[in-house]
Amino acid sequence: DGGITQSPKYLFRKEGQNVTLSCEQNLNHDAMYWYRQDPGQGLRLIYYSQIVNDFQKGDIAEGYSVSREKKESFPLTVTSAQKNPTAFYLCASGNRGKLFFGSGTQLSVL
Amino acid sequence: SQKIEQNSEALNIQEGKTATLTCNYTNYSPAYLQWYRQDPGRGPVFLLLIRENEKEKRKERLKVTFDTTLKQSLFHITASQPADSATYLCALDDSGAGSYQLTFGKGTKLSVIP
Repeated sequence: DGGITQSPKYLFRKEGQNVTLSCEQNLNHDAMYWYRQDPGQGLRLIYYSQIVNDFQKGDIAEGYSVSREKKESFPLTVTSAQKNPTAFYLCASGNRGKLFFGSGTQLSVL
Repeated sequence: SQKIEQNSEALNIQEGKTATLTCNYTNYSPAYLQWYRQDPGRGPVFLLLIRENEKEKRKERLKVTFDTTLKQSLFHITASQPADSATYLCALDDSGAGSYQLTFGKGTKLSVIP
């Protein structure tokens, strides 16, 4: 099955802890994205990558980090510097502007 | 960056009627505008893309219009069904440089009442 796979579906973070959200795609897309969605809010761009080993900050990158060592993978780390991490995180890959999203990870703080 | 406004947070319509959702943007006209559907707890799903030189685009019961003078896109679902109930998101390329950074509206939650 082609698509975007995000894991885990639910994740809990303790104070001071870094957590990593996984995102894998087998659509052979060059571009990948991470968005954050809060209740009643639009999607906000955290980071994006248009090619392996290169990525750019989005509108709300503070407290997050990413890597893009392989075309298929774009993991997102939520660091302890992110003081309000509770949100629904969406990963996407892109083909000529059209985005294909994963099923999301709900991150909550313990 | 662009500011996108979708006309209402929620829209209730009767089954069989046409639902019309509005998306307004504030700054320069984007090269294209997109509409996505999002179900609760799921990622958005791409529906339609319309380019700035296209006035209208259709896909089955869906129709999108794009008016660069009014800075507005309208999204229509004809003969609506309860299964169309979802949140619909408008998105446009905010980069101006073709790097495909989409800015999303907050969405309109559509409920189709049987």
